[in-house]
Amino acid sequence: AQKVTQAQTEISVVEKEDVTLDCVYETRDTTYYLFWYKQPPSGELVFLIRRNSFDEQNEISGRYSWNFQKSTSSFNFTITASQVVDSAVYFCALSEGRGSTLGRLYFGRGTQLTVWP
Amino acid sequence: EPEVTQTPSHQVTQMGQEVILRCVPISNHLYFYWYRQILGQKVEFLVSFYNNEISEKSEIFDDQFSVERPDGSNFTLKIRSTKLEDSAMYFCASSEMGGIIYSNQPQHFGDGTRLSIL
Repeated sequence: AQKVTQAQTEISVVEKEDVTLDCVYETRDTTYYLFWYKQPPSGELVFLIRRNSFDEQNEISGRYSWNFQKSTSSFNFTITASQVVDSAVYFCALSEGRGSTLGRLYFGRGTQLTVWP
Repeated sequence: EPEVTQTPSHQVTQMGQEVILRCVPISNHLYFYWYRQILGQKVEFLVSFYNNEISEKSEIFDDQFSVERPDGSNFTLKIRSTKLEDSAMYFCASSEMGGIIYSNQPQHFGDGTRLSIL
């Protein structure tokens, strides 16, 4: 079973539109950590954010915001007023708090976001 | 800002040959990882490494794979006899802390090595 599901394979928007990338996770651990990474066309993986399972406060960083809801096991990512430079593949990832002691990351399949001018 | 450095950026190798991918983690980081990403697919965990030994490995990391920290700065992934299906982007990552308590520390990734097996 997939531990991290990103149901949206591709999303296209026009510049300045808001866009939300969905992430649903599955774990039996009560302690776990969630991450978002960005992979631009150049291929590197850029860390964006981490949340722990005890902190359900939503977070905003500039045009980026994250909505963590334990009740629905979701950790969605919204980009406000999207820009062409936001075009990338975005990965949601999970690290569990037991068993794998060094924080192995389980990645979703990624969402390809294309922002058109 | 310190970063994880990987070399080479692209490696082309004949099937059956050995290949070594190199990584220089961030200098004060203690936990090291290798992941791979087959073209168009998700990023998959291979192995984690701490205190000069493997902490965890996935089912992908079979006897053909090995990791080493030969000195104080490098962290290498060796594939002994490459197969066509080993063609992928290989990412090295490091984090300052790990373990159950600190597994929320972000792993910082290098730019990757694209491995092409012919």
